[in-house]
Amino acid sequence: NAGVTQTPKFQVLKTGQSMTLQCAQDMNHEYMSWYRQDPGMGLRLIHYSVGAGITDQGEVPNGYNVSRSTTEDFPLRLLSAAPSQTSVYFCASSVTSGPAETQYFGPGTRLTVL
Amino acid sequence: GENVEQHPSTLSVQEGDSAVIKCTYSDSASNYFPWYKQELGKGPQLIIDIRSNVGEKKDQRIAVTLNKTAKHFSLHITETQPEDSAVYFCAGGTSYGKLTFGQGTILTVHP
Repeated sequence: NAGVTQTPKFQVLKTGQSMTLQCAQDMNHEYMSWYRQDPGMGLRLIHYSVGAGITDQGEVPNGYNVSRSTTEDFPLRLLSAAPSQTSVYFCASSVTSGPAETQYFGPGTRLTVL
Repeated sequence: GENVEQHPSTLSVQEGDSAVIKCTYSDSASNYFPWYKQELGKGPQLIIDIRSNVGEKKDQRIAVTLNKTAKHFSLHITETQPEDSAVYFCAGGTSYGKLTFGQGTILTVHP
């Protein structure tokens, strides 16, 4: 049982490049989400999904796309990277989106956009 | 939308002392308030949470209190240990899809 896994751990991009951050969970969780963490700003929700085929926007969705074709995977796509997207990205999952469920976070991806 | 303010941004205590971190929220509709601990290089981990129908919750050395009228909630850690050193985040919202996080508190426990 690996929990929530994220790849890559580190990534450096040039402005305008695109890439996909991978997230997978093996706990059969319905709910998955992506956050970005910036110094002094806590975690901010980018996108989330309450089940396969269902996604919705969080607080800071601009510049990011998501899809949820399977229960296990929830990739985050940067369409055209900008320096403002330099951040640490965390994926999280829980059994459902209800508050009674513990939310498990992955180890994070540190992204630098030059 | 919800706005969560967290204080202090840094907290330094001696081993065995108590530590208190406070958060305020703005949206009276918020009914769920989790606390997360984040160690260096790792993702946040839920340590305790409280819902709006409860005023206090305790789990061993950790307790959380909620004042709905004043819209603030606090994390209390007693008998602190060096392994409690980490960044602590509060959050507020109505469900996991609608959580707003505080800015974080760096807690350092000196042996």
